[in-house]
Amino acid sequence: GESVGLHLPTLSVQEGDNSIINCAYSNSASDYFIWYKQESGKGPQFIIDIRSNMDKRQGQRVTVLLNKTVKHLSLQIAATQPGDSAVYFCAEGTGNQFYFGTGTSLTVIP
Amino acid sequence: DVKVTQSSRYLVKRTGEKVFLECVQDMDHENMFWYRQDPGLGLRLIYFSYDVKMKEKGDIPEGYSVSREKKERFSLILESASTNQTSMYLCASSFLGGYTFGSGTRLTVV
Repeated sequence: GESVGLHLPTLSVQEGDNSIINCAYSNSASDYFIWYKQESGKGPQFIIDIRSNMDKRQGQRVTVLLNKTVKHLSLQIAATQPGDSAVYFCAEGTGNQFYFGTGTSLTVIP
Repeated sequence: DVKVTQSSRYLVKRTGEKVFLECVQDMDHENMFWYRQDPGLGLRLIYFSYDVKMKEKGDIPEGYSVSREKKERFSLILESASTNQTSMYLCASSFLGGYTFGSGTRLTVV
């Protein structure tokens, strides 16, 4: 299988600060990337996606950056809130099948 | 709202029992997947299906089988449950893109 990894397993941020979660991927052929959020006891939920023909995409309070040169993906969360506390993981793939990273646990400190 | 529904949130089974995990999606998606999620290992693909009565092995199919008799339903079967199959099981469906996940079934084999 593909290797998808995260640089840090845990991240703690103060409420109101910005959060950055990183992800490295290994398959240069991957053309679709997704960030998921998984709260305790729940299944992963889609946050934002980006295709390989883009290098940045913005959503509500979230931005995904894609650097294909170094095969790196990041998720930026603006003005982090307590409800953002969760495990975040990236997925890379082509077509119908994706490979997932192990996740970064984000803790927001009030 | 689109949904992937897993029939049980928590299950406790005895070693050697035959276990059925059910997953139903209401999005008319062709593709369905079963993953297990373990701490530090991320999501690992067990089996997937791109069509009714079709199944393909994922990365860790040993000890599992699946059934896809109808498009909306994808069942995971543990023929003879073992303690090393204690895990969180996640079902997902997709159509030309990212996955929609169910809430997960936490299975404990004692």
